[in-house]
Amino acid sequence: DQQVKQNSPSLSVQEGRISILNCDYTNSMFDYFLWYKKYPAEGPTFLISISSIKDKNEDGRFTVFLNKSAKHLSLHIVPSQPGDSAVYFCAASPLPYNNNDMRFGAGTRLTVKP
Amino acid sequence: NAGVTQTPKFRILKIGQSMTLQCTQDMNHNYMYWYRQDPGMGLKLIYYSVGAGITDKGEVPNGYNVSRSTTEDFPLRLELAAPSQTSVYFCASSYTGLAGDSEQFFGPGTRLTVL
Repeated sequence: DQQVKQNSPSLSVQEGRISILNCDYTNSMFDYFLWYKKYPAEGPTFLISISSIKDKNEDGRFTVFLNKSAKHLSLHIVPSQPGDSAVYFCAASPLPYNNNDMRFGAGTRLTVKP
Repeated sequence: NAGVTQTPKFRILKIGQSMTLQCTQDMNHNYMYWYRQDPGMGLKLIYYSVGAGITDKGEVPNGYNVSRSTTEDFPLRLELAAPSQTSVYFCASSYTGLAGDSEQFFGPGTRLTVL
């Protein structure tokens, strides 16, 4: 039972344009959301997070938007760079935000073309 | 700091064989985790530990065992390998157990194939 879904396995974007990665969840108890980035032969690394009290969180070129009523979040990368090419995982956790309760999506492979 | 290291990087096992996946962290983190990632699926938690001597089951613990005798090491044991255990295994650690309080750091993974 996939409680966190990333329905697009892959996304290809031109350098300099916006990348939008989407994530949907089914468990209304999820209250804290994270994005991880993974390069080949490496482990995932934390990218950005958002809690349910916000609808937007920004960190440089990366912005995460949360729509709780739709159970949907998205990661925007602007402008996209070739070094952003990686697999991006969405993750969600219910209160009290224990890591051991976190659920992960299957990932979206982003390719940024020069 | 080396961060989280895992050995081996790759392994092929025959059905019924056993093996131990090694995980070591040098960040003095209390919490350590083992995940598996199957093709087309998200990471699933196998076991976790909140400190030396304390371990607990995650979402998919069957067929695995863990121990945590030191803060640094958290080995994962497969006793009777089955094809369903073919997966990529990631070890992770964090200073606290709370998302948003401290980041999880992941190792590079071990790709295991059971034939």
